[in-house]
Amino acid sequence: EAQVTQNPRYLITVTGKKLTVTCSQNMNHEYMSWYRQDPGLGLRQIYYSMNVEVTDKGDVPEGYKVSRKEKRNFPLILESPSPNQTSLYFCASSLGARARETQYFGPGTRLLVL
Amino acid sequence: SQQGEEDPQALSIQEGENATMNCSYKTSINNLQWYRQNSGRGLVHLILIRSNEREKHSGRLRVTLDTSKKSSSLLITASRAADTASYFCARTLPGAQKLVFGQGTRLTINP
Repeated sequence: EAQVTQNPRYLITVTGKKLTVTCSQNMNHEYMSWYRQDPGLGLRQIYYSMNVEVTDKGDVPEGYKVSRKEKRNFPLILESPSPNQTSLYFCASSLGARARETQYFGPGTRLLVL
Repeated sequence: SQQGEEDPQALSIQEGENATMNCSYKTSINNLQWYRQNSGRGLVHLILIRSNEREKHSGRLRVTLDTSKKSSSLLITASRAADTASYFCARTLPGAQKLVFGQGTRLTINP
């Protein structure tokens, strides 16, 4: 089944403890991105990647890192999480290396930073 | 801010009625997309309309785009309880690789 998977789906952590949220797609998509969703703010893009080893900042990149070493994987790294990073995170991918194509979203990761 | 406005923020109607949601934006666009999100879940793509198109249909969904007014609307006809969800418009800007989402309209269909 063609899909975008994220792990973990739920995570509770403490301030400063490094964590990684994984994202994987099995559709051979070029473009991948991360969003966070907060009440009243909609979805905001954190980082995106147009291809392997090509990443760039979205609108809210502070406090996050990403890497794209393989086409299928695009992990989101929080080196030192803070409570203001408590949010619902979504990974998405699209076939071509363009944001303007249809995006396929993962199921989301709900993160709570204490 | 590049984020646009979605109107209304919340909409509650009876099953069988039509639902209309609007999206306005401030800058020129490549295309505009509409997505649906069931509570707390991932977004699902509904329709993509290009900047040179004025209207698109998909089943009970109709999307219009007016680039002169910088606005789009999503019409759901003959609504069903299963249409209860949040609906988001998203657009890409010329030359940009970012997708910008609106804040969404929460639609509730009452049986």
